Amino acid sequence: DAKTTQPNSMESNEEEPVHLPCNHSTISGTDYIHWYRQLPSQGPEYVIHGLTSNVNNRMASLAIAEDRKSSTLILHRATLRDAAVYYCTPRRAGANNLFFGTGTRLTVIP
Amino acid sequence: KAGVTQTPRYLIKTRGQQVTLSCSPISGHRSVSWYQQTPGQGLQFLFEYFSETQRNKGNFPGRFSGRQFSNSRSEMNVSTLELGDSALYLCASSPDSSQNSPLHFGNGTRLTVT
Repeated sequence: DAKTTQPNSMESNEEEPVHLPCNHSTISGTDYIHWYRQLPSQGPEYVIHGLTSNVNNRMASLAIAEDRKSSTLILHRATLRDAAVYYCTPRRAGANNLFFGTGTRLTVIP
Repeated sequence: KAGVTQTPRYLIKTRGQQVTLSCSPISGHRSVSWYQQTPGQGLQFLFEYFSETQRNKGNFPGRFSGRQFSNSRSEMNVSTLELGDSALYLCASSPDSSQNSPLHFGNGTRLTVT
């Protein structure tokens, strides 16, 4: 199974951009890269996903390296509500068994 | 659309007992997967059911089992509870296995084994 590596924690000032990195060097060529976040006392929440191209949605942007060995989740303007643990996880075809690493705990400073 | 509902929200059991947790997926979702979250091991996949059939299973002992009903609702059972089974149990639903379909998680059942 593909392993992911993320920094344990990061801090950001409110209303500044945040770049959350993820290393997934063992990902297979057909695995999608999914990002989830988990707010305190809640289950994980889907954020964004992609395969090769950079992706944008209302929550965030996802930049995927050309060699697909890493990706970066970008929150364009961090808010206090973005304080959470962020997980990147490879998504295999035909399987809903996601493997989560330790994630990155994002602290947003007012 | 209602989200994924897990019941009960909290549960306290004694070592050696058994417990059943329930999950109601989002309407129309046929896949239900279960995860265990502990401070030490993080989020770990337990098993997945799709149209009443177990499709994938994580690395957990046979004391952990589950099932899915024809309406896609799912239950998981843990028998002969151990102290180490204390955890947050999360259920997630998805319409299918497409890599473009995100998983939708419930807020979990917090199980404490004493």
